[in-house]
Amino acid sequence: AQSVTQLDSQVPVFEEAPVELRCNYSSSVSVYLFWYVQYPNQGLQLLLKYLSGSTLVKGINGFEAEFNKSQTSFHLRKPSVHISDTAEYFCAVGLGITGGGNKLTFGTGTQLKVEL
Amino acid sequence: GAVVSQHPSWVICKSGTSVKIECRSLDFQATTMFWYRQFPKQSLMLMATSNEGSKATYEQGVEKDKFLINHASLTLSTLTVTSAHPEDSSFYICSARARVPGLADSSYNEQFFGPGTRLTVL
Repeated sequence: AQSVTQLDSQVPVFEEAPVELRCNYSSSVSVYLFWYVQYPNQGLQLLLKYLSGSTLVKGINGFEAEFNKSQTSFHLRKPSVHISDTAEYFCAVGLGITGGGNKLTFGTGTQLKVEL
Repeated sequence: GAVVSQHPSWVICKSGTSVKIECRSLDFQATTMFWYRQFPKQSLMLMATSNEGSKATYEQGVEKDKFLINHASLTLSTLTVTSAHPEDSSFYICSARARVPGLADSSYNEQFFGPGTRLTVL
């Protein structure tokens, strides 16, 4: 079984400041890693994913994440946030090589609030 | 492309009634659809995996007789909450995995999420 921990339930940050949203996972099998964004009363949109290869993954809207196998982490970063980045962010793991990334397990989410 | 819709977007019903939620892939065929529920301020929890033409696979703790899933075509899956009670009030989200000829289930294929359906049971 796999699990995901997002330590920060809320992260306030000023506009144009950098931000890091933390994600740690545990799994006994290989996993794929994802970050999703959810705006109020909407479904999830994929920000980025790690399947294999380079540990630094770049996604949409200027976000990037780094897979660290030894620390079992997949932290999300953005060098300069915008008001429009205010949303809920979910880290997720899916079954890896044998599972096609299916059966996603989500973290509890981090509310990013960007302030002027 | 890759748009998933859900209908209705919100529904209010009386306790004891049944509610059907539709999940449609609008511009692609989906061999697999997933149903999640999300309680306020909490994460999404996978309820079941629905494959076209076969019975859904439910996660542990999810009552299959209460949450009926039908995946009758490659573009439509439905979730029926039977005899709904206030504790079933939640945000239900579906996702769809596109059909790619020759692509094995073990190969990654992105899930596209619907906008969700908010169910309130009075």
